[in-house]
Amino acid sequence: EAGVAQSPRYKIIEKRQSVAFWCNPISGHATLYWYQQILGQGPKLLIQFQNNGVVDDSQLPKDRFSAERLKGVDSTLKIQPAKLEDSAVYLCASSFIANEQFFGPGTRLTVL
Amino acid sequence: RKEVEQDPGPFNVPEGATVAFNCTYSNSASQSFFWYRQDCRKEPKLLMSVYSSGNEDGRFTAQLNRASQYISLLIRDSKLSDSATYLCAVNKGSARQLTFGSGTQLTVLP
Repeated sequence: EAGVAQSPRYKIIEKRQSVAFWCNPISGHATLYWYQQILGQGPKLLIQFQNNGVVDDSQLPKDRFSAERLKGVDSTLKIQPAKLEDSAVYLCASSFIANEQFFGPGTRLTVL
Repeated sequence: RKEVEQDPGPFNVPEGATVAFNCTYSNSASQSFFWYRQDCRKEPKLLMSVYSSGNEDGRFTAQLNRASQYISLLIRDSKLSDSATYLCAVNKGSARQLTFGSGTQLTVLP
């Protein structure tokens, strides 16, 4: 069974630029999550989708971050404009069975 | 108080040693608990779920203490390949969300 796919794996941008990340969850997983993981910390939930609807985006900095999940499968997370403190690994996860989440390899973002 | 707290370590142990990690959580209504393993520059991978009765998977044993609101992970006969960061995760409400601790770093030394 294919795992969660993410791209790109690495991205370097300058502050105030925009960037987008893509995620393809495990087939059949209705729930999709985007996390931000800063070095030395655990993953922090940004947004949760159930099919193509948002369940929780309370921790998403909506002035600069946006996310969508069209057709309830793939998802994109966008940052515009990026700040230095956005440097982190952005992880996508999906789940089918309640609470068991499986992570993609992540996108390592460096903002200069 | 953080929702989920872990001792960051690092824990440096010799091969063959037994090591235990604890993780405390603040939400007494939490129902699901997990241990994830994260290798350097890799994604977290589910190691095991933690059941009320405790569970064992080979050299790994996970336990839940609801009264004191902590979960534990015991690794017996440590291998070099066990070196990683171990993250505990606790469900948050009914929305199938997890809150992660900051992780405990383990290094198994030859």
